[in-house]
Amino acid sequence: KQEVTQIPAALSVPEGENLVLNCSFTDSAIYNLQWFRQDPGKGLTSLLLIQSSQREQTSGRLNASLDKSSGRSTLYIAASQPGDSATYLCAVTESISGANNLFFGTGTRLTVIP
Amino acid sequence: DAGVIQSPRHEVTEMGQEVTLRCKPISGHDYLFWYRQTMMRGLELLIYFNNNVPIDDSGMPEDRFSAKMPNASFSTLKIQPSEPRDSAVYFCASRMVGTNNEQFFGPGTRLTVL
Repeated sequence: KQEVTQIPAALSVPEGENLVLNCSFTDSAIYNLQWFRQDPGKGLTSLLLIQSSQREQTSGRLNASLDKSSGRSTLYIAASQPGDSATYLCAVTESISGANNLFFGTGTRLTVIP
Repeated sequence: DAGVIQSPRHEVTEMGQEVTLRCKPISGHDYLFWYRQTMMRGLELLIYFNNNVPIDDSGMPEDRFSAKMPNASFSTLKIQPSEPRDSAVYFCASRMVGTNNEQFFGPGTRLTVL
């Protein structure tokens, strides 16, 4: 069974810093990988989706990379802001299951200190 | 579009009572997913539908849980009888085939069983 791990579990940084969140998965036969943001008591907001054939995706201050062969993805946040404070989740869909089952990591709780 | 709509947002009930959670997917989406989020297990897929037909219910914890999708715009997740260990946040998500398989999540229903 696919297992997704996120490190660190929690991270606090001062405003303005660049930071990297890590995600690793055990089975490299993935269809795609998504990064989500979850605010307390709220649903999940999709940030970036990387297809298995892609190496990275960018949206504003966010950049996600994917190294499928090594089972790793990173989410880079540039010039962090207090509004970036949230829990960040990565999730993969597997090729075998027909890209229908999302396997989620346990998340990284980010706090950006003003 | 209003996005995925879930109701109620919060539900508090007593052990043994029947609970029904509701979801309206994004119009035009042909896949619908039910997930459960707990502190211990994170986010897990319970069941998903394609064109209103249940495809994979292997994540449903036990017979007390049932899900239906009577039409393309409505789905229910029912727990009968409910138990305290069912307390969690239940998310509904939907996607359209061919759109990179990106899933869009609703705000969730926070269920507390006393």
